[in-house]
Amino acid sequence: EDKVVQSPLSLVVHEGDTVTLNCSYEVTNFRSLLWYKQEKKAPTFLFMLTSSGIEKKSGRLSSILDKKELFSILNITATQTGDSAVYLCAPQGYGNKLVFGAGTILRVKS
Amino acid sequence: SQTIHQWPATLVQPVGSPLSLECTVEGTSNPNLYWYRQAAGRGLQLLFYSVGIGQISSEVPQNLSASRPQDRQFILSSKKLLLSDSGFYLCAWSDLARNQPQHFGDGTRLSIL
Repeated sequence: EDKVVQSPLSLVVHEGDTVTLNCSYEVTNFRSLLWYKQEKKAPTFLFMLTSSGIEKKSGRLSSILDKKELFSILNITATQTGDSAVYLCAPQGYGNKLVFGAGTILRVKS
Repeated sequence: SQTIHQWPATLVQPVGSPLSLECTVEGTSNPNLYWYRQAAGRGLQLLFYSVGIGQISSEVPQNLSASRPQDRQFILSSKKLLLSDSGFYLCAWSDLARNQPQHFGDGTRLSIL
């Protein structure tokens, strides 16, 4: 059975801190791993990772995939209150379907 | 550019009543379409996906059904709602031919009384 575990479940930090969110997975016919940010409504796409060891960056956010260890991390530097959200990890497996983790709730205090 | 519309945003229904949630995509053709449910504090669970008109795959046994009457229209239905059907329902689309990620609608928050 496909499995995705995200840690920590929740996190409270102060503005300016750096955070690392973790995602481990076991997914049949793995193709890629996606990260989403969910505030009140729709999850919004952050990154799609297909190759191991290649960091993807977008502003203060970055992410990397380790296909050997079945693991991915999402880093956020110099956090801001607008980064407060639920961050979802979703490996894409058999039939191109996404398997979502429960998410990490991030709260950034000013 | 592509957009996805989902309605209604919120819905309160009595137990045993029918349900119809609609999702439409604009700006693309032959998208893959998905229905997810998100329970409070949990990740998204895939309910149905469709690769074309009239083609529906169900992921979990449940009280719901899905239909795709047109290329860019995806409908989630139930004949008789249960209390356990409460949740946040999200529609998503993707263009697999271009290996693009799934993009989500704003969701419908369904409460069953």
